[in-house]
Amino acid sequence: GAGVSQSPSNKVTEKGKDVELRCDPISGHTALYWYRQSLGQGLEFLIYFQGNSAPDKSGLPSDRFSAERTGGSVSTLTIQRTQQEDSAVYLCASSPQQGVGEKLFFGSGTQLSVL
Amino acid sequence: GDSVTQMEGPVTLSEEAFLTINCTYTATGYPSLFWYVQYPGEGLQLLLKATKADDKGSNKGFEATYRKETTSFHLEKGSVQVSDSAVYFCALATGGGNKLTFGTGTQLKVEL
Repeated sequence: GAGVSQSPSNKVTEKGKDVELRCDPISGHTALYWYRQSLGQGLEFLIYFQGNSAPDKSGLPSDRFSAERTGGSVSTLTIQRTQQEDSAVYLCASSPQQGVGEKLFFGSGTQLSVL
Repeated sequence: GDSVTQMEGPVTLSEEAFLTINCTYTATGYPSLFWYVQYPGEGLQLLLKATKADDKGSNKGFEATYRKETTSFHLEKGSVQVSDSAVYFCALATGGGNKLTFGTGTQLKVEL
């Protein structure tokens, strides 16, 4: 497809379970970002990748959160032992390069609900 | 650290009214400034940007001017339409991989 694709679009899980969220960036985009959108709290940066490496992981809330990117393309965000406060929309974005001022292209997000 | 403050919503306007959504920022260095928009059921998309002081970003009738002296980047439109109903996010980026710092978003509702 032409845009950033995220799957699943909705995920309901039980507290304590692990979840994996997937992001397919636009082909050729070297930079990839994960954000979290919580109700009433705006968008929160989690991690970004340049190629397969992650120069900035400073936004990951705890060691239960991890992410990887393979082949300079698909990225997976994993949340272990989910908690109710993890419920949010997880957004992925990509851009052709990482220069400041570059336009980010966002996916539609994964709505995560932890019961 | 970097931060963005934007006015609380929701903002409700009649069609053809004038729109201002205030945004101020705190940043080290010289950030690039952005407005992103999220239409109902869609992903965020860039509306406009400005990369240095006194630059004016514009798109779809919306404008915002990068004001270094007041650390502001207020969004304006002279005549809003129902189709402008969306959530608007002000954001900034400094060095370090173009990581965006977002405001909390302002919901705009335009009524006939």
